[in-house]
Amino acid sequence: GAVVSQHPSRVICKSGTSVKIECRSLDFQATTMFWYRQFPKQSLMLMATSNEGSKATYEQGVEKDKFLINHASLTLSTLTVTSAHPEDSSFYICSARGPGGGNTIYFGEGSWLTVV
Amino acid sequence: RKEVEQDPGPFNVPEGATVAFNCTYSNSASQSFFWYRQDCRKEPKLLMSVYSSGNEDGRFTAQLNRASQYISLLIRDSKLSDSATYLCVVNNRNTDKLIFGTGTRLQVFP
Repeated sequence: GAVVSQHPSRVICKSGTSVKIECRSLDFQATTMFWYRQFPKQSLMLMATSNEGSKATYEQGVEKDKFLINHASLTLSTLTVTSAHPEDSSFYICSARGPGGGNTIYFGEGSWLTVV
Repeated sequence: RKEVEQDPGPFNVPEGATVAFNCTYSNSASQSFFWYRQDCRKEPKLLMSVYSSGNEDGRFTAQLNRASQYISLLIRDSKLSDSATYLCVVNNRNTDKLIFGTGTRLQVFP
């Protein structure tokens, strides 16, 4: 099946710094990718929809200047958490629609961010 | 009210038991329905799609009742490896976004 790879799987950064998370579709082109955040014992919350070649669409309450999304190619979307704070510590997961834009969504392995 | 609601559990069942999870959704624009499985500190993985006619995949049976806006998942002959969190997920046809429930945690014990 289609594979979505996310990197890094774990990252620790200091408060005030920025960290970039990459999401790649390995064997298919993904014009749309999705970024989620999951806090412990809570559901996945959609942060933004990343569209190749255009600006991302952010969900209500998600600061676009803090969570920068770039989808420069059909196989790569990046999420940059800028000026990170401890409350940004969370599990960040990307996903992409399967080949041909079908109903099946494939998730990356997720990235654990800890801000100290 | 949350758009997708699930009993968080945990459900603690012995091996071999049958267990059922329920899920309700509030948005009538929901178009597609899924059950995902999420292991601790891992990404969700698709378990099965849910169709109006009901569908079965081995020990797993999913049912959808559009009139009641209710989805269920039945697991028969539980295995230790079934221990995980089961996420009810709906797709909104207007926004084309996936909405996740908080998940129901299952723990199967020997």
